[in-house]
Amino acid sequence: EDKVVQSPLSLVVHEGDTVTLNCSYEVTNFRSLLWYKQEKKAPTFLFMLTSSGIEKKSGRLSSILDKKELFSILNITATQTGDSAVYLCAGVDQTGANNLFFGTGTRLTVIP
Amino acid sequence: DTEVTQTPKHLVMGMTNKKSLKCEQHMGHRAMYWYKQKAKKPPELMFVYSYEKLSINESVPSRFSPECPNSSLLNLHLHALQPEDSALYLCASSPTWDRGSEKLFFGSGTQLSVL
Repeated sequence: EDKVVQSPLSLVVHEGDTVTLNCSYEVTNFRSLLWYKQEKKAPTFLFMLTSSGIEKKSGRLSSILDKKELFSILNITATQTGDSAVYLCAGVDQTGANNLFFGTGTRLTVIP
Repeated sequence: DTEVTQTPKHLVMGMTNKKSLKCEQHMGHRAMYWYKQKAKKPPELMFVYSYEKLSINESVPSRFSPECPNSSLLNLHLHALQPEDSALYLCASSPTWDRGSEKLFFGSGTQLSVL
């Protein structure tokens, strides 16, 4: 059965800190891995990763995938209170159905 | 317009009621999804529609009945629900369900409470 595990489950940091969120996955016929940010209700897309070792970057956020070790990390530098959210990682398999297998998420709280 | 709009935002219903959740997108996407998210849990897939045809039903009880009247609309009809069905129901869409279209756009959800 496909499985995605995120760590830590929750994290509290001060503004300006750098954080690293972890995601390990076991997805049969792996296709891609996605990161989403869920603040209140709607998960919003951050990154989609398909190739190992290629860093994707958007402002203070970056992410990388290791297909050999089956994990991904999401880095946030110079954190701000607006980064407080649940960060979800999801694996996608090759069935063609875009069924995202979500991890339980990491709840990040940034304190001023 | 890159939005997926869901209505209502909140819904309280009794176990004998019939209600419907609605989802709309105008991005020209041809794949639409229903996810269920319990508190402090990840979203779980319920249904996938591709080109207005039901393509995936993840063993969802028949008290949940999806409908895709056209390429922009997705409904979820609810009947005789149980209190354990209380959850956030998220709608999502993507251009297709093929490789490269895994980026799903999510709506803000309907928070459902079953009394």
